[in-house]
Amino acid sequence: AQSVTQLGSHVSVSEGALVLLRCNYSSSVPPYLFWYVQYPNQGLQLLLKYTTGATLVKGINGFEAEFKKSETSFHLTKPSAHMSDAAEYFCAVTYNTNAGKSTFGDGTTLTVKP
Amino acid sequence: DVKVTQSSRYLVKRTGEKVFLECVQDMDHENMFWYRQDPGLGLRLIYFSYDVKMKEKGDIPEGYSVSREKKERFSLILESASTNQTSMYLCATRGQGFGYTFGSGTRLTVV
Repeated sequence: AQSVTQLGSHVSVSEGALVLLRCNYSSSVPPYLFWYVQYPNQGLQLLLKYTTGATLVKGINGFEAEFKKSETSFHLTKPSAHMSDAAEYFCAVTYNTNAGKSTFGDGTTLTVKP
Repeated sequence: DVKVTQSSRYLVKRTGEKVFLECVQDMDHENMFWYRQDPGLGLRLIYFSYDVKMKEKGDIPEGYSVSREKKERFSLILESASTNQTSMYLCATRGQGFGYTFGSGTRLTVV
């Protein structure tokens, strides 16, 4: 069964510092990969996705992620954190079967310190 | 802009009540999903539907049922609400590219 592991349920960075949120998946077949962001009391919003093609993908709000097949990873980065980036982030995988249902990681809460 | 609308942001219901959570989308997407979100447990799939009147169980269907009579509407039903169903419920649709569009969520409290 497919699974997603997000390393670190809480990550804290200073404003202006690098943001790195880790995501690994377990599958012999490369999935489609996604990062979502959730602000308090809201639904999830798609940040970026990898389906095919270039392995470095750029998303909204200055975030990007790189698909590394050899490491089965899809880590999310942002060069310089902003206070408004404080939120919960979810990594998800989807395969082109079963109506494309996604499996989500447990989430990482990002705190940005002034 | 695409929209997924969940009818209630907050609900308080009594134990044993039958509860309906409604989700409506305006994107003509075939696939719709219901998840529940609990602290430390992430998002868990309850049910999904890939066409009108078609549904499949997700990972935690016990105590829930769904209805999809029209393409744009996917309802989650708690047959007899219990306190362990207190949670945030999220509806989502899937379009091309496999990314989800989520509603704002319904925070249900069962007392």
